Order: sequence, then structure tokens, then C-alpha cells
Amino acid sequence: ILNVEQSPQSLHVQEGDSTNFTCSFPSSNFYALHWYRWETAKSPEALFVMTLNGDEKKKGRISATLNTKEGYSYLYIKGSQPEDSATYLCAFKGGGSNYKLTFGKGTLLTVNP
Amino acid sequence: AAGVIQSPRHLIKEKRETATLKCYPIPRHDTVYWYQQGPGQDPQFLISFYEKMQSDKGSIPDRFSAQQFSDYHSELNMSSLELGDSALYFCASSSGTGVTYEQYFGPGTRLTVT
Repeated sequence: ILNVEQSPQSLHVQEGDSTNFTCSFPSSNFYALHWYRWETAKSPEALFVMTLNGDEKKKGRISATLNTKEGYSYLYIKGSQPEDSATYLCAFKGGGSNYKLTFGKGTLLTVNP
Repeated sequence: AAGVIQSPRHLIKEKRETATLKCYPIPRHDTVYWYQQGPGQDPQFLISFYEKMQSDKGSIPDRFSAQQFSDYHSELNMSSLELGDSALYFCASSSGTGVTYEQYFGPGTRLTVT
């Protein structure tokens, strides 16, 4: 059974704060790590797909890093805005099956104005 | 841009009834995935199809079946519904099955079994 853990489960920050959260995944048979942003009543929105150890990806104020040797990825949000409030899901794609994603439970971010 | 379409968005059924959920992938996407998210749970993979053939199978109960049709839309058929089947069912599509292919999610169908 694959274990994908995200921490913290929830986070409250003030507008303008920078924040980060963690996704831990199996370090063996690694294929890819996906990050999604999911607002209530909407579809999960793809943020990043990361495959190489040391990868860093950036989209606007959001960036992510990947360490496949130790099995973790960080998602950073710089200067949080209320519209960043959402659940951030990471999903692991492992060897043996390059089709399905195994999701963590997500980190619920609330940005207070 | 066209997104993944799921229908219905909400469905209420009674125990032991049957439900059919539909998923229409993004045009030119040939791969469809189904996920189930129970209350307070992370999404769990159920089944996937590539080019109309089942490509992977997860924790899908035997009471459920699914298929992908010639136009690439997919249907998840659920029989003998149980209270525990109440969940949000997501469909996702991608343009292939490679390592870096992104999965694009639909808005989900919320199934409530009473």
C-alpha cells in the first residue's frame, strides 16, 4: 500500500504571508509527483508535474521542489492572497503502474484578508 | 478551453439501487481515470481506460463496472448500492499514459445513497 502524506492538514495565514507545506511519498519506484489546487465545488486544477530529483517548478507566486531520494516535495506560496485559499493535493505516480495517481489527503490553506 | 464533463453532478439513490455516472473527456484525450472520494478521505483510484481498454484497476468493488466507448466517453455503473458508496466520484482524462502526462479532472458527481 502506497503512503502519501501531506502536512500540515490545514493552515491559516494572513494575506501577504509566505507559506509552505510538505508532501511525503515512497522514495522507491518513483515516476512522477503531481500537485493540484482544489477549490470547493470546482475541479482539481493541475499545478505541477515533477519527475526529476532536484526539480524546481514555478507558476506565478507558487513554486515547488522535489527530492526523490528522500521522498518529499515542498510547495511554496509567496505573498499569499485570499484567492489562494484552497486544498492543495499532491499525488504520486509510481513504478508498476504509470497510469494511476495515489493522492495525499491534502493541505487546506485559508488566507485571511 | 473544453474541460472534462461529468454527469450528473448530483445523484441521490436508495440502497440496492443502480447508478450510472458518465464522463466526457477533453477532446482528443484517450485516457480516462475514475476516482472515489469518501467524506473526509483522499481520492482513491478506481479504474482507468486507455484507448477503450481497461489499463489499470484499483480498489473498485465487484458491484461496480466501467467501460470506455468508441467516442472515448466513459461510464461507471454501480449496482446494489450501499450507504458506504456515498462519495464524490471524479473522472480525469489525459492525452496519454506516459509518466509526465497531466490528468485533468472533471467537477465530480456527488452520489448520495439513502
